[in-house]
Amino acid sequence: NAGVTQTPKFQVLKTGQSMTLQCAQDMNHEYMSWYRQDPGMGLRLIHYSVGAGITDQGEVPNGYNVSRSTTEDFPLRLLSAAPSQTSVYFCASSYFSNQPQHFGDGTRLSIL
Amino acid sequence: GDSVTQMEGPVTLSEEAFLTINCTYTATGYPSLFWYVQYPGEGLQLLLKATKADDKGSNKGFEATYRKETTSFHLEKGSVQVSDSAVYFCALSQNTDKLIFGTGTRLQVFP
Repeated sequence: NAGVTQTPKFQVLKTGQSMTLQCAQDMNHEYMSWYRQDPGMGLRLIHYSVGAGITDQGEVPNGYNVSRSTTEDFPLRLLSAAPSQTSVYFCASSYFSNQPQHFGDGTRLSIL
Repeated sequence: GDSVTQMEGPVTLSEEAFLTINCTYTATGYPSLFWYVQYPGEGLQLLLKATKADDKGSNKGFEATYRKETTSFHLEKGSVQVSDSAVYFCALSQNTDKLIFGTGTRLQVFP
């Protein structure tokens, strides 16, 4: 059972480049979410989804897009990367939003 | 809005010492409360949870009691090990589709 799988694990981008962080879960969870983790700030919610076809903004959504075409996948897109988006990104999932979440191992992203 | 406040770290202890990491919360309703642990280079893992007042969550020797009168959910362990070195996050969830985290507390345990 793979759980929550994030790819890539590491990525370096130049300012203005675009990329997609992938997240997939095999637990048939309805709820999926993306967080960024920055020193001294804990985890901050970027976007979340309560089911296929439904997404909503979290605390820090600017500069990021998401879609949820299937239950399993929840990709996070950076359309034009900025140095302020240098962070560690975590994807998480659970059956429902108030249930304990399962986290991926994270993607460490550096924007030069 | 809802929020979680944790004691700042790092917390540095010798092996077999007693651990307390303080967590208080602000919420309008009756949230569920969680402790997550993050080992170096890994994602977060659920450590324990409590869903109503006076509930005690426990796992791997760690305990936390949901205290509504003091809006607290302090994490305790009677005897820490070097392998407990990690970052610990307190979090809350209400029926708002969002999990709210504290800033995390780093624990360092030395032999």
